[in-house]
Amino acid sequence: GENVEQHPSTLSVQEGDSAVIKCTYSDSASNYFPWYKQELGKGPQLIIDIRSNVGEKKDQRIAVTLNKTAKHFSLHITETQPEDSAVYFCAARMYSGGGADGLTFGKGTHLIIQP
Amino acid sequence: DAGITQSPRHKVTETGTPVTLRCHQTENHRYMYWYRQDPGHGLRLIHYSYGVKDTDKGEVSDGYSVSRSKTEDFLLTLESATSSQTSVYFCAIKQGTASETQYFGPGTRLLVL
Repeated sequence: GENVEQHPSTLSVQEGDSAVIKCTYSDSASNYFPWYKQELGKGPQLIIDIRSNVGEKKDQRIAVTLNKTAKHFSLHITETQPEDSAVYFCAARMYSGGGADGLTFGKGTHLIIQP
Repeated sequence: DAGITQSPRHKVTETGTPVTLRCHQTENHRYMYWYRQDPGHGLRLIHYSYGVKDTDKGEVSDGYSVSRSKTEDFLLTLESATSSQTSVYFCAIKQGTASETQYFGPGTRLLVL
């Protein structure tokens, strides 16, 4: 089955600096890669996603890049703000040919924005 | 929150007792999922449903069963709870075959003593 590795497990950056979180996946059939943000006591919230036919996607301060050859994808947050502090999860879609495919998640990165 | 509610939000139970968690959605989505979240493991898929009475196993399905008798409700049952099933359980929905985005509910925190 699919395996997703996520690094680092904890990332501390100064407010205003950029943060980068990296993930690798094992199954070359995976074709959808979402990123979720989870605040304490809440469910994961989708912040950005990318499909395998796209190399990069940007939404304001957040961007995701995908390298299919190397099977890795990254989340980039620029101009970090205190409200960016949370746990971030990458995921890959376990492609089974049907429409019900579940997600395989990385273990999460705790992003800490230092004032 | 994509119209997803989970109940109960918190539960404490004893080893060996049955437990049922409920996921309710109000927007008629076809696909529903149950995940568990544990420290150091991220989220892992337990079971999923692709329609009324249509369910299948995920990667960590042992000790769990599910049922979906109507579109809006997806039930997760622990037949005989064990301490290893202490976790936070999240329900998710996906809107349709053409959609890939999963939206998550607020979670149920379960403690098995």
